[in-house]
Order: sequence, then structure tokens, then C-alpha cells
Amino acid sequence: DSGVTQTPKHLITATGQRVTLRCSPRSGDLSVYWYQQSLDQGLQFLIQYYNGEERAKGNILERFSAQQFPDLHSELNLSSLELGDSALYFCASSSSGSGQPQHFGDGTRLSIL
Amino acid sequence: AQTVTQSQPEMSVQEAETVTLSCTYDTSESDYYLFWYKQPPSRQMILVIRQEAYKQQNATENRFSVNFQKAAKSFSLKISDSQLGDAAMYFCAYRSANQGAQKLVFGQGTRLTINP
Repeated sequence: DSGVTQTPKHLITATGQRVTLRCSPRSGDLSVYWYQQSLDQGLQFLIQYYNGEERAKGNILERFSAQQFPDLHSELNLSSLELGDSALYFCASSSSGSGQPQHFGDGTRLSIL
Repeated sequence: AQTVTQSQPEMSVQEAETVTLSCTYDTSESDYYLFWYKQPPSRQMILVIRQEAYKQQNATENRFSVNFQKAAKSFSLKISDSQLGDAAMYFCAYRSANQGAQKLVFGQGTRLTINP
């Protein structure tokens, strides 16, 4: 058990809809990262938050947004969903300090019908 | 931008034998971190081993060890005494030491099969 909790585990929805993925980091970790794993793109970094502030942005679509709340949990919002958004979405967290490893949650499997 | 390449999409090994997974990376930075993650069929991403670029000594974790060649930008993973539970996708990942660039850059993965 990595200590990172992601909900829900599975999500099935239709094109054009909006969903919210939730992540609770390990106790004490201030950094939260979101990654997308798809068959064609592999594992791609989306966005990082540190103690409530956006720290870095990757290949995140404008239809996607995220935030980190004062209790450090994070949400990834995906809107106007397309078939190509079907993927496994991971949240990871790490503690402060250079080179601290990122610990991953079990992921949310998003299927767009 | 940094890139990570895993040139072996699939590997197989007999149980109890040793296997080496290859990884090369491209970067202009001198300080960084390298990781191997394991993704079994359960889809979890499990940290296997971590290497700091400024350390010449190769990292080891029980049956897992790395061969880090900084000049060649190579970072291979050796699994000794392979076990059935080692069957998984293995991802090599790079992370800058720059505090503003802490994302992981992953390779495409190597699927490891263990033959009983």
C-alpha cells in the first residue's frame, strides 16, 4: 500500500460529459502529481501541485483542470470528454526534498463510451 | 527536453535466472535522479529502485540492482533469481534535480515474462 488514495477506481461515462477524479496524498506529502497512461501516449505528466499552488504543467489539455485543497487532497477535472480521453489516470505524491521518490495511487480507469 | 528510451518492448526469463532490462536517456543536465517502476497486472505503479546521478555507486535493493553509466547515459536494471511475482511492465523514469521540474519522464516500458 503506497498510502496514496485515488477514487473512484473505475469511471464509465459518455462523450461530452464532465468527471472529477480525487486523490489523497500520503500523510505529510505536500506535492501531488497527475499522470495519464494511455496505450498510444504511454505515461504522460499532466500537472503538479505543491502545498496548494500549481508548480508545473505538462501536456495537459485545456479541457482538463486540477486543484489542491488546504487539506492537500487534489482533484482532476476532465470536461467535454472525448473517446481519446479514455485512459488510466494516476496520482502520485512526494515529500519535500530533492529527489524524493513519487509514490503512486492505484489509478482511476476512465472509459468513455 | 529529456527523453527516456527502453529499446526492449518485451523480455522473458526462466524462473531463478537473471535478466537485465535496458534504459537510455537523453539530458543536458548534470544532476538528476533515475528510477525503475514496476507495474504488475494489478496496474499499480511500484517503485523498485532509485539512483542519484551524482553517486557513482550503483543502487541495489535485494534482488534488484542497477548498472548506471552516466557518461553513456545508460541505466539498466538487473533482476537476480527471477521469481514469478516479478512478471510485470517495467518503466524507467528520469527526474530533474531542478526543484521547478520534478515531473517524471517515463520510457515506453518493457514487459517482463517469467517462465516457470
